[in-house]
Amino acid sequence: SYVLTQPPSVSVAPGQTARITCGGNNIGSKSVHWYQQKPGQAPVLVVYDDSDRPSGIPERFSGSNSGNTATLTISRVEAGDEADYYCQVWDSSSDHPGGVFGGGTKLTVL
Amino acid sequence: EVQLVESGGGLVKPGGSLRLSCAASGFTFSSYSMNWVRQAPGKGLEWVSSISSSSSYIYYADSVKGRFTISRDNAKNSLYLQMNSLRAEDTAVYYCARVPRGGSYYNDYWGQGTLVTVSS
Repeated sequence: SYVLTQPPSVSVAPGQTARITCGGNNIGSKSVHWYQQKPGQAPVLVVYDDSDRPSGIPERFSGSNSGNTATLTISRVEAGDEADYYCQVWDSSSDHPGGVFGGGTKLTVL
Repeated sequence: EVQLVESGGGLVKPGGSLRLSCAASGFTFSSYSMNWVRQAPGKGLEWVSSISSSSSYIYYADSVKGRFTISRDNAKNSLYLQMNSLRAEDTAVYYCARVPRGGSYYNDYWGQGTLVTVSS
């Protein structure tokens, strides 16, 4: 089955740029989606199809995807961005299609 | 406004059964695929199952295949998850989530989740 690998944690100072990676075999050939989850809340979609933003999501959130790594970039980080972030793809490459999530990355704003 | 409201969670003994429901409103439910996603306490998100708009396509994670059954009633705007032979490792918050139309498989709206606890 397809595996997505995320760093467990990323720390960044307010106003700086946070980059959260999501590794997978030839992930560049798939569409990658990103979710933000704050404690006690349901996940919220922040980037879909590698780099598109849903309405209401600040332009500070952006995404890229190439080769074996997808990246969620959060510019001008704010205290309110502190949360867990998950990448996700749909694995249709096998005869057993299904959704796949990365293990999640905890973003800490110093 | 899109709303997804899960219900049916609770405490169940190992080997027992539970049926989760998800009531949808604010959109044409019959036009959208739907997912169940779960999250064990302190752990990450895990995709559980997907069902297409007309129930023609159904998929399960290996961890639940043969024990869980996803279904929907488009007349009632409702999604279901029948969970049998429950195990301690099925303990989690279960979310229902909508898959937007357009071919790309992600979740644009999520419910608030319902907690399932499997314990003796």
